[in-house]
Amino acid sequence: DIQMTQSPSSLSASIGDRVTITCRASQTISNYLNWYQQKPGQAPKLLIYAASTLQSGVPSRFSGSGSGTDFTLTITSLQPEDFATYYCQQSYRFPNTFGQGTNLEI
Amino acid sequence: QVQLVQSGVEVKKPGSSVKVSCQSSGGSFSDYAFSWMRQAPGQGLEWMGRIIPMADMTKYDQRFQDRVTISADTSRKTAYIEVASLRAEDTAVYYCARVGCSGGHCFFEFWGQGTLVIVSS
Repeated sequence: DIQMTQSPSSLSASIGDRVTITCRASQTISNYLNWYQQKPGQAPKLLIYAASTLQSGVPSRFSGSGSGTDFTLTITSLQPEDFATYYCQQSYRFPNTFGQGTNLEI
Repeated sequence: QVQLVQSGVEVKKPGSSVKVSCQSSGGSFSDYAFSWMRQAPGQGLEWMGRIIPMADMTKYDQRFQDRVTISADTSRKTAYIEVASLRAEDTAVYYCARVGCSGGHCFFEFWGQGTLVIVSS
């Protein structure tokens, strides 16, 4: 199975900050990488697919980059509603696997 | 607007089975794959398997293959996951998601609200 490792596991930031979350795959996955946001008590929400394509309706302050094994999710100018847990997920091979999550808190 | 509505909370005894449903509305059902994930309390997401209703094709994570059955009823636009031989470690929120694809890349585009399954004696 492809292991996905996110860092950091938790991150403290302030409104207006720029933050970056990284995700590393245990083997190359090209750009078959998706990012999700999950708030407490809610289902995850798709933010970015194919490493860098913003899902419809997602604010442009979210962006993704990377290819191969190393990927990043960047949020510019943090808003109150962005404090949540973020997960990466590879869709290169079954079983689809997720990172362990990054908890972004104030 | 696509909506996935899952069945309600389940409380089960160890060794029993549970079947969770996921009804789709607002879009085609048979043309898409549906995946199931679970999330134990305070933990991350685990992909369990998926079904393509049109072809009745399933794929499972090997860790769950022996105890999990994913099925679909196209007439009801509903996908199901059944987990057998339940143990305490199966206590989790179970999510269904419709798989979207674009340019060869697939992702979990629409999600159900989650179903809490509690396994306790």
